Amino acid sequence: DAGVIQSPRHEVTEMGQEVTLRCKPISGHNSLFWYRQTMMRGLELLIYFNNNVPIDDSGMPEDRFSAKMPNASFSTLKIQPSEPRDSAVYFCASTRLAGGRNEQFFGPGTRLTVL
Amino acid sequence: AQSVTQLGSHVSVSEGALVLLRCNYSSSVPPYLFWYVQYPNQGLQLLLKYTSAATLVKGINGFEAEFKKSETSFHLTKPSAHMSDAAEYFCAVSETGNQFYFGTGTSLTVIP
Repeated sequence: DAGVIQSPRHEVTEMGQEVTLRCKPISGHNSLFWYRQTMMRGLELLIYFNNNVPIDDSGMPEDRFSAKMPNASFSTLKIQPSEPRDSAVYFCASTRLAGGRNEQFFGPGTRLTVL
Repeated sequence: AQSVTQLGSHVSVSEGALVLLRCNYSSSVPPYLFWYVQYPNQGLQLLLKYTSAATLVKGINGFEAEFKKSETSFHLTKPSAHMSDAAEYFCAVSETGNQFYFGTGTSLTVIP
């Protein structure tokens, strides 16, 4: 299996620009998570989906952040407009729903730098 | 609500010495518990997990962890540290709701 795929791996953009991060979960997994990791705040859960439906988006920091999962094999996290404080590593993770028993599989992350 | 506490954000050990990384959780029901490792510039990888079978769980790279319900702990150990063990380690807990709760991580340094 190819694992969780994220693109791009690195993104450098200017303040005010729109940024779109992409994630392809492992085939057969029906739960997907977006995390953000910074030195100051550690690993933060932004949003997660079960069967393509957003379950909890309370971690999304502002309305500038939005996430979609149009089908079981693709999800996007969009930041519009981006700000320097959004600079972080964004991880996507997926798992197969089993009452919390199954581990999450993480992608390699997207390192976002907003200038 | 679930929570995970990792005592010690930074731990240093000498090569060949015992590694002990601490994790305590709060949960109203028996949880599922996980340890992940993150190497620089990589995503998190599963080291081991406890899912209510044996309380002593063996993972990859010689790591193991023991679930102690009375102490609400799930500490990670390795008898002899290698230089390659230097990384960030995260403890996580989940319940039936499928959401994971991660600790703040412990950075392990191995001194040659």
